[in-house]
Amino acid sequence: KQEVTQIPAALSVPEGENLVLNCSFTDSAIYNLQWFRQDPGKGLTSLLLIQSSQREQTSGRLNASLDKSSGRSTLYIAASQPGDSATYLCAGRRTTDSWGKLQFGAGTQVVVTP
Amino acid sequence: NAGVTQTPKFRVLKTGQSMTLLCAQDMNHEYMYWYRQDPGMGLRLIHYSVGEGTTAKGEVPDGYNVSRLKKQNFLLGLESAAPSQTSVYFCASTPTGNYGYTFGSGTRLTVV
Repeated sequence: KQEVTQIPAALSVPEGENLVLNCSFTDSAIYNLQWFRQDPGKGLTSLLLIQSSQREQTSGRLNASLDKSSGRSTLYIAASQPGDSATYLCAGRRTTDSWGKLQFGAGTQVVVTP
Repeated sequence: NAGVTQTPKFRVLKTGQSMTLLCAQDMNHEYMYWYRQDPGMGLRLIHYSVGEGTTAKGEVPDGYNVSRLKKQNFLLGLESAAPSQTSVYFCASTPTGNYGYTFGSGTRLTVV
């Protein structure tokens, strides 16, 4: 079974600082890894999807990297803003899973203070 | 394009009552999933479906049943609700191939 861990569980930074969120997984046979954002009381919004053949994906101020050999993915958010305050979850899909099931980490709760 | 729509958004049940949660997607996705989210537990897979008429158990299926009679709809049923089923329920879908998930906005269920 794929185990996904996110450290830290919570993070508070001043506005303008870069955010670094970590996700580690136990099974290197990963098919893809997806980062989500969840606002309080809301659903999950997909941020970035990294295929197993890719090392990183970028969208605006967001950059996600994937290192299968070390079992890690990192989400970077440049020049953080108060609007970035949310919980960020990573989820991995195993190569051996034909049905697209994801294994989620517990999330990192981010607060960006003005 | 509505994406994934869940109904209802909120519900309070008494122990022993039954209800059905509806998930509808308009993206012609093959795969659909029901997750529950509890504080400190993350998202856990309840049941999933890989096509019309097919369903399978996930990580925490006990106390739930599902049906997928139409490709666009995935129903989650609670036959006899228990307080342990108090949670936020999310539906998600994805097409076949190497693509990401689309989630619904969730159903917050309280069983008293």
